[in-house]
Amino acid sequence: AQTVTQSQPEMSVQEAETVTLSCTYDTSESDYYLFWYKQPPSRQMILVIRQEAYKQQNATENRFSVNFQKAAKSFSLKISDSQLGDAAMYFCAYNTGTASKLTFGTGTRLQVTL
Amino acid sequence: EAQVTQNPRYLITVTGKKLTVTCSQNMNHEYMSWYRQDPGLGLRQIYYSMNVEVTDKGDVPEGYKVSRKEKRNFPLILESPSPNQTSLYFCASSLSNWGGYGYTFGSGTRLTVV
Repeated sequence: AQTVTQSQPEMSVQEAETVTLSCTYDTSESDYYLFWYKQPPSRQMILVIRQEAYKQQNATENRFSVNFQKAAKSFSLKISDSQLGDAAMYFCAYNTGTASKLTFGTGTRLQVTL
Repeated sequence: EAQVTQNPRYLITVTGKKLTVTCSQNMNHEYMSWYRQDPGLGLRQIYYSMNVEVTDKGDVPEGYKVSRKEKRNFPLILESPSPNQTSLYFCASSLSNWGGYGYTFGSGTRLTVV
């Protein structure tokens, strides 16, 4: 069974600084997709970034980028120029080629300080 | 606006009193799913549906029922709620069962069973 591990329950970053959230996963599949979701206090689940396993190039969305290491099964999220609005719970998630189950990690709570 | 609508947003009920949480999407998505979110456990899949009249169990289906009579609706039914079903529930949908689309989530239902 696929598993997703987020080993940092909580992280803190100062405004304007850079922070990296870690995620590792376990799978025997070759075709899969990885996601980072943000859950602010409003509890809405917001898709931040997506990575296809067959693409070697790391995905980037504005201040958000990933470091995808397929051999190591690692998928970390880097947030640059952190803003107060980035404070949230962040979930790493994995899906195979069919959407029968999006598997989530346990989440990392990010605090942004002045 | 394209969205997944869940109701109610908050619900407090008593043990054993049947309840239904509604979920509706207006994006003509084929795939729909229910998750529950608990502290330290992330999100876990309860049930999913690939299309109308096609449903299947996720990781934690005990105590829940679903139905998919129409493409847009996917209600979650708790026939006899118990306190261990106190949780935050999310409905999600995806265009198809291709895993690369990711999910669109509803805004969540906070359920408390006393």
